Amino acid sequence: KAGVTQTPRYLIKTRGQQVTLSCSPISGHRSVSWYQQTPGQGLQFLFEYFSETQRNKGNFPGRFSGRQFSNSRSEMNVSTLELGDSALYLCASSLVQMLNTGELFFGEGSRLTVL
Amino acid sequence: GENVEQHPSTLSVQEGDSAVIKCTYSDSASNYFPWYKQELGKGPQLIIDIRSNVGEKKDQRIAVTLNKTAKHFSLHITETQPEDSAVYFCAASRPVGGGNKLTFGTGTQLKVEL
Repeated sequence: KAGVTQTPRYLIKTRGQQVTLSCSPISGHRSVSWYQQTPGQGLQFLFEYFSETQRNKGNFPGRFSGRQFSNSRSEMNVSTLELGDSALYLCASSLVQMLNTGELFFGEGSRLTVL
Repeated sequence: GENVEQHPSTLSVQEGDSAVIKCTYSDSASNYFPWYKQELGKGPQLIIDIRSNVGEKKDQRIAVTLNKTAKHFSLHITETQPEDSAVYFCAASRPVGGGNKLTFGTGTQLKVEL
């Protein structure tokens, strides 16, 4: 069974640009979450999607947005990039539909560098 | 919101020794506490979890304890091996709006030396 796939794995952007990251969850998983990982802040929750609807949202500015498609694939977008957006962006999928006790399966992440 | 503190940030042990990582959380409504292991270049992977109605859970060399009154939980690894070297994250979650929203600790870099 294929794991969570994230593309691209690495990318470099300049300040002011925008970026779109893609995530394909494990087959059958309908919940997709996004996390930002930085050395100083650790893993921080961005948002979660389930059945094409945003179900939870973290404390990030509106420049960070996401969406989920009918096949459960998800994308996140960051507009007007800032140097501080440089991070590893992790996507995780989960089988559990309700409650908050489902195992998250993480992808290997997309490493974004903003120059 | 929830705040999870994790200590120590780095931990070095000799092979065969035990390792203990501790976390505290702030939200008394949190009811799910997973531990994730992240190896270099990979995404975090769940190694053990505990729910608030249980005080201790063990899986081979790994155990987790939970003290709801004190709002802290710990990961115990016995008979450490070199392959245990990784970054370990604790996390906490509460059932708000359904779904998954984990608040992670800042991680512990565990190094098992030969």
